[in-house]
Amino acid sequence: AQSVTQLDSQVPVFEEAPVELRCNYSSSVSVYLFWYVQYPNQGLQLLLKYLSGSTLVKGINGFEAEFNKSQTSFHLRKPSVHISDTAEYFCAVSINTGKLIFGQGTTLQVKP
Amino acid sequence: IAGITQAPTSQILAAGRRMTLRCTQDMRHNAMYWYRQDLGLGLRLIHYSNTAGTTGKGEVPDGYSVSRANTDDFPLTLASAVPSQTSVYFCASSEWDRDPNEQFFGPGTRLTVL
Repeated sequence: AQSVTQLDSQVPVFEEAPVELRCNYSSSVSVYLFWYVQYPNQGLQLLLKYLSGSTLVKGINGFEAEFNKSQTSFHLRKPSVHISDTAEYFCAVSINTGKLIFGQGTTLQVKP
Repeated sequence: IAGITQAPTSQILAAGRRMTLRCTQDMRHNAMYWYRQDLGLGLRLIHYSNTAGTTGKGEVPDGYSVSRANTDDFPLTLASAVPSQTSVYFCASSEWDRDPNEQFFGPGTRLTVL
């Protein structure tokens, strides 16, 4: 079975500062990894995904994530955040069955 | 505008009542999903359907049923609601053959069971 742990429930950060949202996963088989974003009062949308190949994945809105197999991590980063990045971020894994296993979510609060 | 619609937006329901949450997509995706979102637990898969006419159980299927009579609609039914089913419910869809994991989500239904 697969599981996902997001290490921070809330991350406050000032505008234009860098941010990292941490995600660790557990699986006995190879997995695909995802980050989804949920803006207030909306559904989730895909931010980026890792399927194979380069371990550094770039997504929408300037976000990127790095897959680290030895540390079973897939941390999300952005070098300079904006107020509009305030949202909840979910890390998820799948063994390509369409059954996504989500982490608990991290609330990113960007302050002016 | 292409996407997923869910109804109702929110609902307060007495325990023991039957309730159907509606989900419709116009993207012609063959796969559809129902999740519940609870604080501190993220999203958990309730049921899914790879194609019209077939359904499968997710992580937390107990107390819920689904049907998939056609491509566009995927209703979720609570036969006899209980307070632990208070949650935000999201419907999603994907193109199973191309990328089942890139799922498109609806705006959600907030359900309160008293």
